[in-house]
Amino acid sequence: AQKVTQAQTEISVVEKEDVTLDCVYETRDTTYYLFWYKQPPSGELVFLIRRNSFDEQNEISGRYSWNFQKSTSSFNFTITASQVVDSAVYFCALSEAGTGNQFYFGTGTSLTVIP
Amino acid sequence: DVKVTQSSRYLVKRTGEKVFLECVQDMDHENMFWYRQDPGLGLRLIYFSYDVKMKEKGDIPEGYSVSREKKERFSLILESASTNQTSMYLCASSPFFFRGYEQYFGPGTRLTVT
Repeated sequence: AQKVTQAQTEISVVEKEDVTLDCVYETRDTTYYLFWYKQPPSGELVFLIRRNSFDEQNEISGRYSWNFQKSTSSFNFTITASQVVDSAVYFCALSEAGTGNQFYFGTGTSLTVIP
Repeated sequence: DVKVTQSSRYLVKRTGEKVFLECVQDMDHENMFWYRQDPGLGLRLIYFSYDVKMKEKGDIPEGYSVSREKKERFSLILESASTNQTSMYLCASSPFFFRGYEQYFGPGTRLTVT
């Protein structure tokens, strides 16, 4: 069974629009960690954020914000006022305390921001 | 800054060749990982290692082997390359003693097997 689901395969938005990338996860561990990575066209995955299961506070970093809701097992990522440089593939990942440092990645969401 | 480097960005090999993909990290990390990335499938773990000479199978180890003789270097080996191993290969590292620590990725090697 897929532990991390990113149902949106591709999204296109016009520059300056807001966009939310969905991530739903599945785990039985009480201690786990969630991550978002960005993969620009150059190919290298860039770490964006880590959240542990005990910290449900939402986080904002510039135009980026993350909404973690344990009740719905979701960790969604919103980009406000999107820019062309935000065009990339975005991956959500889960790491469970019980399985050490292994990551489970979603299949990614390809975001295209149209100028 | 953590740096993970991979020996080649692009590689073209013939079916049946033995292929070595090298990964080096400079942050003294215990954990190292090899993934392959295919469209629509995301990243899938091939092998990982949490110490020198230690290795663990990931989700798709068939057709691959690995070697970790030094802490900073983790090699992925395709004993006899096949066309279905054409893919993007990504190496990553992370510190062992920090649970939930992010993995740092190299730039990837796009391998084409003809």
